[in-house]
Amino acid sequence: KAGVTQTPRYLIKTRGQQVTLSCSPISGHRSVSWYQQTPGQGLQFLFEYFSETQRNKGNFPGRFSGRQFSNSRSEMNVSTLELGDSALYLCASERSGGSNEQFFGPGTRLTVL
Amino acid sequence: QQQVKQSPQSLIVQKGGISIINCAYENTAFDYFPWYQQFPGKGPALLIAIRPDVSEKKEGRFTISFNKSAKQFSLHIMDSQPGDSATYFCAASRMDSNYQLIWGAGTKLIIKP
Repeated sequence: KAGVTQTPRYLIKTRGQQVTLSCSPISGHRSVSWYQQTPGQGLQFLFEYFSETQRNKGNFPGRFSGRQFSNSRSEMNVSTLELGDSALYLCASERSGGSNEQFFGPGTRLTVL
Repeated sequence: QQQVKQSPQSLIVQKGGISIINCAYENTAFDYFPWYQQFPGKGPALLIAIRPDVSEKKEGRFTISFNKSAKQFSLHIMDSQPGDSATYFCAASRMDSNYQLIWGAGTKLIIKP
């Protein structure tokens, strides 16, 4: 069974640009959550999508948005990039979205210059 | 009421020793407490999880101890090995709802050979 895949793995952008990250969950998983990970800050929850609907949202500004498609694939968008957005962005898929085991992808390393 | 406090932030243990990481939660409605392990360059992966109907769960060298009255749970790694060097995250949530996982800040564990 294929794991969670994230593309691209690495990305370099400049301030003010926007970026779109992609996540393909494990087949059959309907929930996708996104996290931002920075050194010393742990895992900061961005949002969760279940059946194409945003079900939970963390405390991030509106520059961070996401969506989920009918095949459960999800995208995350960050507009007007800031230096502080440099981080590892992780997505995790879950079968039902009810706090069962989350399976994480390898992440996308975003660097904002 | 939603926080999960994890300590220590970092830990160095000699090979063969016992590594202990502690977490405390506030929300008494939480009933699912997983521990995730993250190696450099990888996403976190579920290591072991416990429900509050038991006070201890053991899987190989890894044990979760749970104290419901104190609202604390801990991860014990017996006979710690260099391959256990990783970042460990505790989390908490409710199984019977669509609650997101609430994450601790993480503990960077280094096992010295």
